[in-house]
Amino acid sequence: GAVVSQHPSRVICKSGTSVKIECRSLDFQATTMFWYRQFPKQSLMLMATSNEGSKATYEQGVEKDKFLINHASLTLSTLTVTSAHPEDSSFYICSARDVASGEADTQYFGPGTRLTVL
Amino acid sequence: GQNIDQPTEMTATEGAIVQINCTYQTSGFNGLFWYQQHAGEAPTFLSYNVLDGLEEKGRFSSFLSRSKGYSYLLLKELQMKDSASYLCAVRDSNYQLIWGAGTKLIIKP
Repeated sequence: GAVVSQHPSRVICKSGTSVKIECRSLDFQATTMFWYRQFPKQSLMLMATSNEGSKATYEQGVEKDKFLINHASLTLSTLTVTSAHPEDSSFYICSARDVASGEADTQYFGPGTRLTVL
Repeated sequence: GQNIDQPTEMTATEGAIVQINCTYQTSGFNGLFWYQQHAGEAPTFLSYNVLDGLEEKGRFSSFLSRSKGYSYLLLKELQMKDSASYLCAVRDSNYQLIWGAGTKLIIKP
């Protein structure tokens, strides 16, 4: 089955530092990857859509200069949280669209990264 | 606006059957997904419906009625490990996934 990995799984950082999260599709090519954020007991919130070789599309209210997304290859997308603050503490989840899954066009999720900003 | 409604929480007994409902109002429809999410983990794909009717996959089944904007996820022979949140998501005309808030399912012995 389609596997998506994320690294790191947990990160604790000081306020003001930057944190990079990697998302990889391990056994399929993903022209599109998605970045979500999930606060405790809340639903997934789409932050941005990452397309290989082009600029990411950010959802309304998400600061593109704060959440830098790079989708340099068909198997890797990175999210960098710049100048992190405690309110950025959350569970960040990436997903990759497997276009080979046909009409279902299923998104497969990475295991998530729990970010804690002190 | 776009809206997905599902119950916040449900409780069921081990070995029983439970049905989790999802109603939606979206701009266009290109499929409905059900995902399972255990606490602290990412969602995992359960089912996909794009045509009316029932899709069965082992202990889990998902039903769709496009005319009613309605779907349900049916879980049979409940096991303790089925305790999780179940997320309903609809893909709209722009192929964006619109997420419900999830239904927390509590299984009791």
